[in-house]
Amino acid sequence: DAGVTQSPTHLIKTRGQQVTLRCSPKSGHDTVSWYQQALGQGPQFIFQYYEEEERQRGNFPDRFSGHQFPNYSSELNVNALLLGDSALYLCASSRRGYKFSYNEQFFGPGTRLTVL
Amino acid sequence: AQTVTQSQPEMSVQEAETVTLSCTYDTSESDYYLFWYKQPPSRQMILVIRQEAYKQQNATENRFSVNFQKAAKSFSLKISDSQLGDAAMYFCAYGNSGYALNFGKGTSLLVTP
Repeated sequence: DAGVTQSPTHLIKTRGQQVTLRCSPKSGHDTVSWYQQALGQGPQFIFQYYEEEERQRGNFPDRFSGHQFPNYSSELNVNALLLGDSALYLCASSRRGYKFSYNEQFFGPGTRLTVL
Repeated sequence: AQTVTQSQPEMSVQEAETVTLSCTYDTSESDYYLFWYKQPPSRQMILVIRQEAYKQQNATENRFSVNFQKAAKSFSLKISDSQLGDAAMYFCAYGNSGYALNFGKGTSLLVTP
């Protein structure tokens, strides 16, 4: 079992550019959540995808968008990058399908985005 | 909105000793889950222990245990027989469905020989 994988590991962009981050969930998982972790802070929830639809969204602007594919993998897109978007972006997968007994999410290693 | 507060930015413990990390949270829900995650320098967030709010018994996982005080909305993590490999950032998190986790700002744990 490969666990949750994310690509790329590191990324450097300039202000105003657009970026796409990718996530493959753990085998058997159908739900993907994205978090932004600024330096020295805890992760902040961006949004969650299930059945190829955005199910819940945190307090992030529309510049942040996502997609989930039929194989459950997901992309996070950020447009018009700002310096403040520099952070570690974490993907977490979990299994839905039926009522959760608990909200265990398995995290990937993250993508470090630097905006210059 | 649910908030999670970790009031200790840094903690230090000697090998083989015991350390307790504090966490408080605010919610109006009655059913929810609480978690402690560990994030070593490798960045991989690892679940250490979880607690279901409807369970009165405190969760235990080997050297890790929690003190869950529902009325006080307190959820502390005790690490016994600390090891060098326990050094990491520790995050307390709250979840009440299959959706978002709310994290605290974290506590950096240093383990000294």
